[in-house]
Amino acid sequence: EVQLVESGGGLVQPGGSLRLSCAASGFTFSSYWMTWVRQAPGRGLEWVATIKLDGSEEYYVDSVKGRFTLSRDNAKNSMNLQMTNLRAEDTAVYYCAREGYCSGSACYSGSDNWGQGTLVIVSS
Amino acid sequence: DIQMTQSPSSVSASVGDRVTITCRASQEISFWLSWYQQKPGKAPKLLIYAASSLQSGVPSRFSGSGYGTQFTLTISSLQPEDFATYYCQQGNTFPPAFGPGTKVDFK
Repeated sequence: EVQLVESGGGLVQPGGSLRLSCAASGFTFSSYWMTWVRQAPGRGLEWVATIKLDGSEEYYVDSVKGRFTLSRDNAKNSMNLQMTNLRAEDTAVYYCAREGYCSGSACYSGSDNWGQGTLVIVSS
Repeated sequence: DIQMTQSPSSVSASVGDRVTITCRASQEISFWLSWYQQKPGKAPKLLIYAASSLQSGVPSRFSGSGYGTQFTLTISSLQPEDFATYYCQQGNTFPPAFGPGTKVDFK
């Protein structure tokens, strides 16, 4: 059974940092691109970042470029999202997701497995 | 960047109703469009990928169609467990934007 478990969320002050983790099991982690999606309270889904299966390239939404860094450790079946210079508008539930078919510089067939999410609150 | 829109933003329906949700992309995306269902407090669930392919385990009352810039999700006979919010997402290029969502609630 595919399992994705996020951790690391919490309350942080504006300008602060937080590191989210996603632990994967039940599949060959190194064979899949992985993604973070967030959802602000009462709002819709927003794609945040995706990392290629070997960690050679990452893609970010413009609003987090230069502040968030996505990495993965295929030996540990885990992915991390390092978030710095956090803003109030980063407050959201952050979901880790596994991508379906990806090639080149796109993921074509949606995110087929999701974690339960971890809540990040940026507030003073 | 490609922008996604959905209509309607909400729909009130009854069990057994046929429900149709439309998603439009601001540019051609071929058939690289996915649909998700999300219930309150839960993670999204992939229903449809590549515009019309049913994800494993998803009931056949869900179907998708479309190509290019206009896509449709249809629930042929709404069931109690289908009351939720539905999102489309394009997968043609990064960033893979989501639509704003369509809430399906009780009439």
